[in-house]
Amino acid sequence: KAGVTQTPRYLIKTRGQQVTLSCSPISGHRSVSWYQQTPGQGLQFLFEYFSETQRNKGNFPGRFSGRQFSNSRSEMNVSTLELGDSALYLCASSLASGLGEQYFGPGTRLTVT
Amino acid sequence: GEDVEQSLFLSVREGDSSVINCTYTDSSSTYLYWYKQEPGAGLQLLTYIFSNMDMKQDQRLTVLLNKKDKHLSLRIADTQTGDSAIYFCAERGNRDDKIIFGKGTRLHILP
Repeated sequence: KAGVTQTPRYLIKTRGQQVTLSCSPISGHRSVSWYQQTPGQGLQFLFEYFSETQRNKGNFPGRFSGRQFSNSRSEMNVSTLELGDSALYLCASSLASGLGEQYFGPGTRLTVT
Repeated sequence: GEDVEQSLFLSVREGDSSVINCTYTDSSSTYLYWYKQEPGAGLQLLTYIFSNMDMKQDQRLTVLLNKKDKHLSLRIADTQTGDSAIYFCAERGNRDDKIIFGKGTRLHILP
């Protein structure tokens, strides 16, 4: 069974631009969560989607948004990029929301210059 | 708010046991997790434990949970060079169902 895939793996953007990251969960998994990982703040929860609905949200500004499609694939969007948005963005999937096993993708490394 | 704390570094000799400790604050946690992250990679789920259990063993890995003290540990028996990585402790709260991660413990293997 294929794992969680994320595209692109690496991205360089300039301040003020916007970016869209994509995540395809493991086949059959319906819950997708997004995390931001930085050396200073560690892993921080962004949001979780289940059955195309945002089920949970972390403490990030409204510039960070996401959505989930009917095939469970998810995208997250960051608008008006700031230097501090440079991070590894990780996506994780699980069978359903609230279940124990959550599997992570390799991440998208975003650099904002 | 909820918090998960773990020490940042641990050095262990090859062949010895490694014990990585973690404390959390949310008494309503439902699941507690251990993840492994190697350089340039995502997080690999190693094991997890329900909050109503106190121990789980899986090959070289043993997880101990002391719910009263809100303390979780991961023991890796016969530590090998391939175990060198950052290990993250995480808990899922019952109230809001979010997963909160610790800052990670970097495990260094000495020859």
